[in-house]
Amino acid sequence: RKEVEQDPGPFNVPEGATVAFNCTYSNSASQSFFWYRQDCRKEPKLLMSVYSSGNEDGRFTAQLNRASQYISLLIRDSKLSDSATYLCVVKGGSTLTFGKGTMLLVSP
Amino acid sequence: DTGVSQDPRHKITKRGQNVTFRCDPISEHNRLYWYRQTLGQGPEFLTYFQNEAQLEKSRLLSDRFSAERPKGSFSTLEIQRTEQGDSAMYLCASSPSPTGGLPGETQYFGPGTRLLVL
Repeated sequence: RKEVEQDPGPFNVPEGATVAFNCTYSNSASQSFFWYRQDCRKEPKLLMSVYSSGNEDGRFTAQLNRASQYISLLIRDSKLSDSATYLCVVKGGSTLTFGKGTMLLVSP
Repeated sequence: DTGVSQDPRHKITKRGQNVTFRCDPISEHNRLYWYRQTLGQGPEFLTYFQNEAQLEKSRLLSDRFSAERPKGSFSTLEIQRTEQGDSAMYLCASSPSPTGGLPGETQYFGPGTRLLVL
């Protein structure tokens, strides 16, 4: 079983749609959780950290379920500029473990 | 620009040649990380430094790979006797050291060095 699993997509959605990505992780000792965004041929950039209580940043909402070892990202009112690959990231110790990413394509 | 920088941005080499990449972290960050990313995959951890000490190395880091951070500032990653399978994006990231027993700050990535081995 891979350490961090994501549906690779692509998710094709129209502008204004709500889209949700899910991720599962295998190491129950993982300490911190993040969503990174990666544009084509660019470096990953931190989108948001994920907390057990859930957290929201504008149109983005992240949730963590430690019991189920499950992380989610919800994007509301999708914009064309949201088109990218979204990487689920788990931190154990000092290193990050990335999922393969979920590709999102937002069309006009 | 005070972010993480990497040099070169692109490198094309022939199989069997040696290559060296450089990473300059964010100046106040003690920790520096190297990752490798191939097409369709997420970044994979290679190694990391706290100041000049190399604290962890992945099984992905074969004997042909060596990383240094001699003065605790910039780092170099050398690949000897390159193979076609080494073709990838090599990403460097940095973060401050954790404080107060917390897991620590997140990592900020440089633009990467894209390596193509012919």
